[in-house]
Amino acid sequence: AQRVTQPEKLLSVFKGAPVELKCNYSYSGSPELFWYVQYSRQRLQLLLRHISRESIKGFTADLNKGETSFHLKKPFAQEEDSAMYYCALLVAGSNYKLTFGKGTLLTVNP
Amino acid sequence: GAGVSQSPRYKVTKRGQDVALRCDPISGHVSLYWYRQALGQGPEFLTYFNYEAQQDKSGLPNDRFSAERPEGSISTLTIQRTEQRDSAMYRCASSSQDPREQYFGPGTRLTVT
Repeated sequence: AQRVTQPEKLLSVFKGAPVELKCNYSYSGSPELFWYVQYSRQRLQLLLRHISRESIKGFTADLNKGETSFHLKKPFAQEEDSAMYYCALLVAGSNYKLTFGKGTLLTVNP
Repeated sequence: GAGVSQSPRYKVTKRGQDVALRCDPISGHVSLYWYRQALGQGPEFLTYFNYEAQQDKSGLPNDRFSAERPEGSISTLTIQRTEQRDSAMYRCASSSQDPREQYFGPGTRLTVT
């Protein structure tokens, strides 16, 4: 069975500092990976997906199949980036159900 | 346009009571998912509908949990004889032609006392 691990429950950085939220997965095939974000009092929303290889709000994530990782990075954190971040995995042929990690709460201090 | 809506947003019920949670997906979205999120955990898959057909219910924890989507739009998740361990955030998501892009509702916070 597939699994997503986010080793950090909490991550605190200062504004302008680089930030990296770690995500590792276990799955023997070729999964699709996503990052979802939940800002305070808002609903869960898709931030980015590895297939599109785009940068959203300055965030990027590269799928590393050798290390089975999909870390989320941003070179200069902003206070508005403070939120809960979830890494998720989707397996082809699985009816597109997402498997989520436990999440990392990012706090960006002024 | 309007996003996914869920009602009620908060529900407190006594152990042993039945509850019904409603999800209204984005208009035209054919796929609908239910997830459950316990405190400190990520969302966990419960069940999936394609139009009105329940394609996957492998995540429903036991037979007290059931879901339906009779007309391929609104869905109801029903929990019978609730127990304290059922307390969680219940999230609904829908998607259109690209099932990989799931849009989530605000969730229903269920507390069983």
